[in-house]
Amino acid sequence: KAGVTQTPRYLIKTRGQQVTLSCSPISGHRSVSWYQQTPGQGLQFLFEYFSETQRNKGNFPGRFSGRQFSNSRSEMNVSTLELGDSALYLCASSLEGLDLDTQYFGPGTRLTVL
Amino acid sequence: AQTVTQSQPEMSVQEAETVTLSCTYDTSESDYYLFWYKQPPSRQMILVIRQEAYKQQNATENRFSVNFQKAAKSFSLKISDSQLGDAAMYFCAYRSLTSGTYKYIFGTGTRLKVLA
Repeated sequence: KAGVTQTPRYLIKTRGQQVTLSCSPISGHRSVSWYQQTPGQGLQFLFEYFSETQRNKGNFPGRFSGRQFSNSRSEMNVSTLELGDSALYLCASSLEGLDLDTQYFGPGTRLTVL
Repeated sequence: AQTVTQSQPEMSVQEAETVTLSCTYDTSESDYYLFWYKQPPSRQMILVIRQEAYKQQNATENRFSVNFQKAAKSFSLKISDSQLGDAAMYFCAYRSLTSGTYKYIFGTGTRLKVLA
């Protein structure tokens, strides 16, 4: 089975722009979660989607949004980029996102905001 | 709100020796899961070991074991017979089981160096 894939792997944007990141989960997985990873803050939960619905949300401003498609692929959008949005964005998929479901992580998209 | 603290930003261990990574957490919940994840340099994060809070027995996976102290809210990871491939960032994570909120909360990580 193919693992979790994320595209693009690297992205450079300037302040004020918007960006869309994509995540393709493992086949059969219906839960996709997004995380922001920075050296100082570690991994911070952004949101989780399950069956095209946002099920959980972290404490991020409304500039961060996401969606999930019927094939479970998910996109994350960040509008009006700020310098502080520079980070590694990780997505993780799991079967149901419940209980002891193992989360499988993708390689991440490294976003640099100039 | 739950928090996870990893107080050791960096640790070193000699190959074949044993090292323990610390993790403490704060929660008012009685039922939850705890995890250790490993993130090798430039590689994907993978699950190392997990522990259900209702289980008193400490989880073990080959050379990896945990010391789970529920009352003290402590969840340390012991790596025995350390290998060069164990070098990575290790993240402790808490997963809430409150209905409708299955969020993970991660610590800031501990970078483990393995010395040959």
